[in-house]
Amino acid sequence: EVQLVESGGGLVQPGGSLRLSCAVSGFTFSNYYMNWVRQAPGKGLEWVAIINQDGSETQYVDSVKGRFSVSRDNAKNSLYLQMNSLRAEDTAVYYCVRGESGAFVIWGQGTKVTVSS
Amino acid sequence: QSALTQPPSASGSPGQSVTISCTGTSSDIGVYNYVSWYQQHPGKAPKLMIYEVTKRPSGVPDRFSGSKSGNTASLTVSGLQAEDEADYYCNSHAGSNTWVFGGGTKLTVL
Repeated sequence: EVQLVESGGGLVQPGGSLRLSCAVSGFTFSNYYMNWVRQAPGKGLEWVAIINQDGSETQYVDSVKGRFSVSRDNAKNSLYLQMNSLRAEDTAVYYCVRGESGAFVIWGQGTKVTVSS
Repeated sequence: QSALTQPPSASGSPGQSVTISCTGTSSDIGVYNYVSWYQQHPGKAPKLMIYEVTKRPSGVPDRFSGSKSGNTASLTVSGLQAEDEADYYCNSHAGSNTWVFGGGTKLTVL
C-alpha cells in the first residue's frame, strides 16, 4: 500500500524554525518528483516546493524562497522541508505529495504548522 | 505566480451536469497541457480527479471530464451525485517547474 506520512508540525513562534518530514512507503521513492503543498485554515491549496528524483533540482513558490529548503534522502525513503524565519502567514496544513505526469498524484494526510506568539 | 481564477461556488441538482471554470494566462494554462483537478472533502486530503487536461486516473468515475480552450480549463461533472459535493481545485504548470493552484470552487448538490 502506498503511504506518505508527514510529521514535525506544531506551534512555533514568529521567526522560528521547524523541520517537516515525510516518510514514504509502498513505491520506489527515488523514481519520483516530490512536492510540498500547503493549505492555510479555511483557504485554498498553495504549491510550496518541488524536488527532483536525485535532489539536484529544487524550486519554490516566491513567498518562501530564501526561507524554506526542500531535501530528500532516498536511502531513508524520506522527504523534508526545512522552514526558517517563519511568519504568521505560513500557518497551514502541509501536505507531502508525489508528482507524476504533471500532477499531484498521491497525497499524505498532512501535518499542521501554527506560527504564533 | 498568480493564482488561477475559479468561481467561488457552483451548484446543481442530482442528475444534472455542472461545469467549473479555471482561468489562467498565456504563461500557464495557455501554453501547458499539465492542467489537473482535485476534489477535497472537508477535513480530508485532496484527491486527483483529472490530469493532463482530460485524463482520468484509475478509479475516478467517467462522470468527471476535463477540457481546455485557450487560457481557460474546465471540469464537468455529469450526473451529479450527493457525494460529489466538495471543494474542487485546478492546477497548472507555470513554467520553470513551478505550479499554481486555483482558489477553489465549492460545489453544492442541491
